[in-house]
Amino acid sequence: VQLVESGGGLVQPGGSLRLSCAGSGFTLSSYTVSWVRQAPGKGLEWVSSLSSSSSDMYYADSVKGRFTMSRDNAKNLLSLQMTSLRAEDTAVYYCARDPADYYYGMDVWGQGTTVIVSS
Amino acid sequence: AIQLTQSPSSLSASVGDRVTITCRASQGISTALAWYQQQPGKAPKLLIYDASRLQSGVPSRFSGRQFGTECTLTISSLQPEDFATYYCQQFHNYPRTFGQGTKLEIK
Repeated sequence: VQLVESGGGLVQPGGSLRLSCAGSGFTLSSYTVSWVRQAPGKGLEWVSSLSSSSSDMYYADSVKGRFTMSRDNAKNLLSLQMTSLRAEDTAVYYCARDPADYYYGMDVWGQGTTVIVSS
Repeated sequence: AIQLTQSPSSLSASVGDRVTITCRASQGISTALAWYQQQPGKAPKLLIYDASRLQSGVPSRFSGRQFGTECTLTISSLQPEDFATYYCQQFHNYPRTFGQGTKLEIK
């Protein structure tokens, strides 16, 4: 059971980037999945969550209107489309399984992908 | 948004010590809280879910308790691999806020 993120990189302010989160060993579409980020030297910040049915999406105020989560169930894949990127979006981004229908705790985490927003 | 206040923000202790970290919520969250351990450069690892349940594979020296809006994480006898940063997170509602973290260092 694991999650693997990809898609991070260096992008200019105002630019866009699409992160992916691939699940293996379990059916990603059966779970709520969340993105959590960590700016350099800082703590963990919840970014967004997408319910298993994709009917419920939640975003932190800091990214609302700029970030969008989506799923591709056939590929067991989840994405985070990030637009209008700012310097303060620079962070390691983790996707995490959030089995909120069963218990409270993010039990599977990816290794993280680094996003750097800089000119 | 529910605020989680962790204390202390840092802690120095020795191998074998018993330590307790506190996470206080700004409003009631029932048992909707988890604790994570994060080693430098690594992803967080779930230790405790539902405020007091030990995640599979986590040593029994870790325990969680809840007292109203206050939750605690206790490590009964510190081991060298326990020196890390610890975070609480609430699942009562969105946004799924984290505490600011507690860095546990070797004395």
